[in-house]
Amino acid sequence: DTGVSQNPRHKITKRGQNVTFRCDPISEHNRLYWYRQTLGQGPEFLTYFQNEAQLEKSRLLSDRFSAERPKGSFSTLEIQRTEQGDSAMYLCASSLELYEQYFGPGTRLTVT
Amino acid sequence: ELKVEQNPLFLSMQEGKNYTIYCNYSTTSDRLYWYRQDPGKSLESLFVLLSNGAVKQEGRLMASLDTKARLSTLHITAAVHDLSATYFCAVGMDSSYKLIFGSGTRLLVRP
Repeated sequence: DTGVSQNPRHKITKRGQNVTFRCDPISEHNRLYWYRQTLGQGPEFLTYFQNEAQLEKSRLLSDRFSAERPKGSFSTLEIQRTEQGDSAMYLCASSLELYEQYFGPGTRLTVT
Repeated sequence: ELKVEQNPLFLSMQEGKNYTIYCNYSTTSDRLYWYRQDPGKSLESLFVLLSNGAVKQEGRLMASLDTKARLSTLHITAAVHDLSATYFCAVGMDSSYKLIFGSGTRLLVRP
């Protein structure tokens, strides 16, 4: 399967711990996006990369959040000092051009 | 700030019936997407609409875009149980690559 992959699929952590998620985009896609989805809502944009450059960040992305895409391939999203409000599904998407974004299966984060 | 509103938010319909989901957005955009999401799953791309008057059909689903009215519709024809899912519309902002999603329409097709 050559779709977008994300790891881990589920993460349970205690408040105050740091967590890191990984996203592997479709291999030829140069654009990569992170979204967050809470129960009953649509995904909310967090950040966007074109190749290795992080070009846009949402105001939702507080100082505790950091994302990287070294070498323009996979990406990581780290949340430091997690809070219960961080509990959500974190979705990664990739695209080749401007138009269609393909989503991965997501990482469900639960902060206890 | 771009806002995207879907209605209805919840739709229960009988198999065999027709219905339309509406997606309104607040500022100019020429990119409109429809996605499907099953419970606990990620988003599956259904349609990408890129110009005024665009119409696309796949099986029992047909999507259209009116950029002047800032409105897209997703029409369901002769619904079947397998269509039960949450449907999201999303709008691409002209100056950005991010998508702004609506709250979703949860569709339940009853026998």
